[in-house]
Amino acid sequence: DAGVIQSPRHEVTEMGQEVTLRCKPISGHNSLFWYRQTMMRGLELLIYFNNNVPIDDSGMPEDRFSAKMPNASFSTLKIQPSEPRDSAVYFCASSFLDRGGEAFFGQGTRLTVV
Amino acid sequence: QQQVKQSPQSLIVQKGGISIINCAYENTAFDYFPWYQQFPGKGPALLIAIRPDVSEKKEGRFTISFNKSAKQFSLHIMDSQPGDSATYFCAASSEYSGGGADGLTFGKGTHLIIQP
Repeated sequence: DAGVIQSPRHEVTEMGQEVTLRCKPISGHNSLFWYRQTMMRGLELLIYFNNNVPIDDSGMPEDRFSAKMPNASFSTLKIQPSEPRDSAVYFCASSFLDRGGEAFFGQGTRLTVV
Repeated sequence: QQQVKQSPQSLIVQKGGISIINCAYENTAFDYFPWYQQFPGKGPALLIAIRPDVSEKKEGRFTISFNKSAKQFSLHIMDSQPGDSATYFCAASSEYSGGGADGLTFGKGTHLIIQP
């Protein structure tokens, strides 16, 4: 298995632009998580899905952030409009339904908003 | 509110020594306590985990000690090697809350350097 696949690996965008991050979870996993990592705040859970249904989005910082999971093999995290403070590494992770603590992480997307 | 507190922030250990990282949690609903290892440019990877029904779990050179009454747990790395140099995160989740997986609450991380 190729593991969790995220794209792009790096994204540089200008303030105000829309950014879309993509994730393909491990086949057979039915929980998907989006995390954000910064030096100041560490690793934070943004949102997670069970069986493609969003369960908890309380970690999403603002309405500028949205996430979708249209099917079991694809999810997106969108930021519109982007701001410099959104600069971070965004990780997607997946797990089996009752094993959210045993999550497999992707390589991450390093987002820089200038 | 930081629900999982981790210390120290950084740690330097000589090769062959014991590395010890400590964590404390607040939420008594947590029932799964994993440790993740992260190398630069990579995503975190599960290293070892424990549930609160046991006080210790050992896998190779890595041991978790768990104190439920104190709400504390720690990672011990025996015979530390330069290849262990990485950032280590403790975490906690509620696996059996019903309805499927919950996400992880992470500590702030410990940057570990093993000197040859």
